[in-house]
Amino acid sequence: NAGVTQTPKFRILKIGQSMTLQCAQDMNHNYMYWYRQDPGMGLKLIYYSVGAGITDKGEVPNGYNVSRSTTEDFPLRLELAAPSQTSVYFCASSYGLGTVRDNQPQHFGDGTRLSIL
Amino acid sequence: LAKTTQPISMDSYEGQEVNITCSHNNIATNDYITWYQQFPSQGPRFIIQGYKTKVTNEVASLFIPADRKSSTLSLPRVSLSDTAVYYCLVGDKGAAGNKLTFGGGTRVLVKP
Repeated sequence: NAGVTQTPKFRILKIGQSMTLQCAQDMNHNYMYWYRQDPGMGLKLIYYSVGAGITDKGEVPNGYNVSRSTTEDFPLRLELAAPSQTSVYFCASSYGLGTVRDNQPQHFGDGTRLSIL
Repeated sequence: LAKTTQPISMDSYEGQEVNITCSHNNIATNDYITWYQQFPSQGPRFIIQGYKTKVTNEVASLFIPADRKSSTLSLPRVSLSDTAVYYCLVGDKGAAGNKLTFGGGTRVLVKP
């Protein structure tokens, strides 16, 4: 029972390089999320998706792109990496909205630690 | 967005009960209150969720007063392994999904 799997676990990039952080879930969740967490801080939402083919911006989307071609996968793309993007990135998933009171808990991966030098 | 306020840190000792209070004055009628736990180098993990009154599971209890403007997470008889950051969240139900806003959390240190 894998849950949410993120790869890679660690990565060092040079300024201006690009890369894709992978996220996959096997729980058939239709909602998926990307967060970043800076040292000693809480999580900030970057992008989220409510289903395949549908994505939307979160609180801090600049410098990132996402796609959602399947229910299982939700990759995060960094274009032209900058030192400010040094952070730990978490992917999460949850069931979608049921009733108006539905607030299904999110399941998180173990994160990708990214350093940009 | 319904914002939350919780203490930055708390110290406790093994075997004690830890209570963390979270304020959420502008909680919406349909919002739930959810608590997550995060250990170093790991993603947050769901602990408990509630709407009103009291909810209890095998890990914690959640107390929510009638006005729902605050909530208290209670961890009974903590051990060293309960040292973690605890986040209180209130659901942002927007039309596009259940986005959640994470604050800074409460760092709980359990001492021997």
